[in-house]
Amino acid sequence: GAGVSQSPSNKVTEKGKDVELRCDPISGHTALYWYRQSLGQGLEFLIYFQGNSAPDKSGLPSDRFSAERTGGSVSTLTIQRTQQEDSAVYLCASSLAPSRQGRGNTIYFGEGSWLTVV
Amino acid sequence: GQNIDQPTEMTATEGAIVQINCTYQTSGFNGLFWYQQHAGEAPTFLSYNVLDGLEEKGRFSSFLSRSKGYSYLLLKELQMKDSASYLCAVRSGGATNKLIFGTGTLLAVQP
Repeated sequence: GAGVSQSPSNKVTEKGKDVELRCDPISGHTALYWYRQSLGQGLEFLIYFQGNSAPDKSGLPSDRFSAERTGGSVSTLTIQRTQQEDSAVYLCASSLAPSRQGRGNTIYFGEGSWLTVV
Repeated sequence: GQNIDQPTEMTATEGAIVQINCTYQTSGFNGLFWYQQHAGEAPTFLSYNVLDGLEEKGRFSSFLSRSKGYSYLLLKELQMKDSASYLCAVRSGGATNKLIFGTGTLLAVQP
């Protein structure tokens, strides 16, 4: 597609339920990022995928959070047993493979998935 | 550890110039980014610096000093639509290229 596509755009779920958030990056982009942004806060890094390399999961806040990227394209972020503090906007971004020669230096964000846990 | 600092809020007047500073301490460095984010919207890319010096793009310029761990975003001829949050982010490089964001600077442009 023309840009990073995320779905659903809005999700209201009950505490304790599992949710899946989907990200479809820009075609040809091998780098994919997930971030979380709570109201009035900065972007919190969650996970980074680059090609076939092992993902950097260092930002995942607990073992209730997981993400996968199938076929090097679409990614799914799963939150199990959701809690109210999980309410936030979940932003996905993609880029070309970063290099010192300048590739991957523009990282494009999707519109986000707004998650509300009630 | 990773630490990126920006002022929380700034106010400026329409038509004026404003400079938003960012200092960083990160384990590794592979570029510094500035993003603009309007309320309720996704961040949009403004600029990228990897070498020391000034990058100019229209009304926006960004400066980097790697030895000082310092960058600034300069906005000229301010317009009301420039009211937004401005996010400084550093890519750590090395085995990972994750992008670490500061908390952002909320800029209010007044008439």
